[in-house]
Amino acid sequence: DTGVSQNPRHKITKRGQNVTFRCDPISEHNRLYWYRQTLGQGPEFLTYFQNEAQLEKSRLLSDRFSAERPKGSFSTLEIQRTEQGDSAMYLCASSLGGGTGGLYEQYFGPGTRLTVT
Amino acid sequence: DQQVKQNSPSLSVQEGRISILNCDYTNSMFDYFLWYKKYPAEGPTFLISISSIKDKNEDGRFTVFLNKSAKHLSLHIVPSQPGDSAVYFCAARFTGTASKLTFGTGTRLQVTL
Repeated sequence: DTGVSQNPRHKITKRGQNVTFRCDPISEHNRLYWYRQTLGQGPEFLTYFQNEAQLEKSRLLSDRFSAERPKGSFSTLEIQRTEQGDSAMYLCASSLGGGTGGLYEQYFGPGTRLTVT
Repeated sequence: DQQVKQNSPSLSVQEGRISILNCDYTNSMFDYFLWYKKYPAEGPTFLISISSIKDKNEDGRFTVFLNKSAKHLSLHIVPSQPGDSAVYFCAARFTGTASKLTFGTGTRLQVTL
């Protein structure tokens, strides 16, 4: 299967602990996105990479959150000092892309469900 | 503020009939609108999109209609099939951005036999 993969699928952690999620995009995709989805809501944009460059960050991404995409391949999303409000599904998506004119379909992974106790 | 709204949290339709899912938006700066389908334990899957300069786009059983003056779009599924049962998200992209989508809260569609 060459789709977007995310690990782990589920993570339970205690408040105050750090967690890290990994996303492996479709191999030829140069764009990678992170979204967060809470119960009863649609996905909310967090951040976006073009190759290894992080080009946009949402104000939802507090300073406890950091994302990286070394070498423009896989990406990691780390949450430091987790809070109960961080409990959510974290979705990764990838797409082709070049410029801002065209619409490039975003392919989503299955997500990582984080529960902070 | 919710810039993309799906006011119906759920919809039930009989197999073979038409399903109509609705979406309203508030920002005139969106240039593309998309529909995604989501099954449990899976990520959203792209279904169909429409540019803001069009008023209709069709792909097989799926048609999206855009009414810019009303800031309203709808997804029509004809005929509805049991496999269409899922949560449907409306999403929009800001003009000139390469990236982020703004999603609605979703409508759960159940297609009954």
